[in-house]
Amino acid sequence: AQSVSQHNHHVILSEAASLELGCNYSYGGTVNLFWYVQYPGQHLQLLLKYFSGDPLVKGIKGFEAEFIKSKFSFNLRKPSVQWSDTAEYFCAVRLTGGGNKLTFGTGTQLKVEL
Amino acid sequence: GAGVSQSPSNKVTEKGKDVELRCDPISGHTALYWYRQSLGQGLEFLIYFQGNSAPDKSGLPSDRFSAERTGGSVSTLTIQRTQQEDSAVYLCASGQAYTEAFFGQGTRLTVV
Repeated sequence: AQSVSQHNHHVILSEAASLELGCNYSYGGTVNLFWYVQYPGQHLQLLLKYFSGDPLVKGIKGFEAEFIKSKFSFNLRKPSVQWSDTAEYFCAVRLTGGGNKLTFGTGTQLKVEL
Repeated sequence: GAGVSQSPSNKVTEKGKDVELRCDPISGHTALYWYRQSLGQGLEFLIYFQGNSAPDKSGLPSDRFSAERTGGSVSTLTIQRTQQEDSAVYLCASGQAYTEAFFGQGTRLTVV
C-alpha cells in the first residue's frame, strides 16, 4: 500500500529563517503530489500541487516544492518564513490509475518565533 | 455553495450511542472523501465516493463505521456503538475527479 512519510514532526524556526520540510512516498508509479496547510483553528487549505511538467512547483505565500522522482520526494521550501506561517503542514499523494484516494502524511507542526 | 460544509461542528456523545455526521460538498463536485484526524496521527483515510462508482471503503476501521452519499451530493458518516477511541475530528472533502480536494471545517467528536 502506498504510504507518505514526513520525517519532521515538529520544527521551530526564527522569522526570516529558511524552511525545508521533507516528504517521501513509497509508490513507484505515476503520482500526483500535494502540500496542504492547516492554520490554527482553520480548515485544511491547498498550498501547491504537482501533476506533471516542471518538477519545481510554486504555490501560495512564497512556498515552493520540488518533485524528485528518483528520490520519491516532494519537499516543501520557503526561503524566509514569517510568524504567520505557524501552522501544520501535510503532504499528500494520489496514485494515478489506482483510484482517487489521497494518502496523507502525519503532518509537520511548524512554529515560527519572532 | 461557498465551500464544504460539515455539521455538527462539535458532537459529544455517550459511549455506545450512534452518531451521524453530515457533509455538504461543493456543488458539482463528483468526488467526496472522509478522513479522521487524531492528534499526532495525521489524516486517516476512511472512505471515498466518486460519481456513481462503488465507494472505496478500504479505510473504514470497523463495521461500526458506514457512510452513504445520496444523489451524488450530501454524505452521511455513521458510527454505531461509539467507543472512546472514536474521538477525533472527522473531515470531509470534495473535488472533481483527479484534482485537489477541498476540505470542510470538520466535526469534532468526543465520546464520553
